[in-house]
Amino acid sequence: EDKVVQSPLSLVVHEGDTVTLNCSYEVTNFRSLLWYKQEKKAPTFLFMLTSSGIEKKSGRLSSILDKKELSSILNITATQTGDSAIYLCAGNTGGFKTIFGAGTRLFVKA
Amino acid sequence: SQTIHQWPATLVQPVGSPLSLECTVEGTSNPNLYWYRQAAGRGLQLLFYSVGIGQISSEVPQNLSASRPQDRQFILSSKKLLLSDSGFYLCASNRDRDKKTEAFFGQGTRLTVV
Repeated sequence: EDKVVQSPLSLVVHEGDTVTLNCSYEVTNFRSLLWYKQEKKAPTFLFMLTSSGIEKKSGRLSSILDKKELSSILNITATQTGDSAIYLCAGNTGGFKTIFGAGTRLFVKA
Repeated sequence: SQTIHQWPATLVQPVGSPLSLECTVEGTSNPNLYWYRQAAGRGLQLLFYSVGIGQISSEVPQNLSASRPQDRQFILSSKKLLLSDSGFYLCASNRDRDKKTEAFFGQGTRLTVV
């Protein structure tokens, strides 16, 4: 059965801290690994990773995929209160399905 | 760019009542469309997906059904709601040019069955 597991489930940090969110996947016909940020309602897209070892960056956020370990990490440096959200990891299969993890709930204290 | 409209935003329905949630997509054609449910503290569970008009695939056996009467319209329905149908329902769409890319999400409908 396809599954995506994220850790930790929740995390509380102070502004300025650096955080690392983890995602492991077991997805049939794996095509890509996706990260989303969900604040109140609709998840918004952050990254799509298809190649192992190539880091993708967007401002203070970065992510990398390890296909050998079937895992990915999402790093956030110099965290801000606006980074507080649920971060969702998802594995995209060769069909039309995307399997989501339960998410990591991040809370950044001022 | 794509825009996904979902309504209503919130809904409180009694057990045994019917349900109809609507999702429409703008800015793309022939998209893949998805219905997800997110329970409190949980990830997104795929309920249905559709690759074209009238084509529906169900991922989990349940009390719900889906229909796609038009290319950019996706409807989630139930004849009789159960308490366990409560949750946050999200409609999503893939871009039409490459259906293996990220999805765009609507703002969701928070359904509470009482």
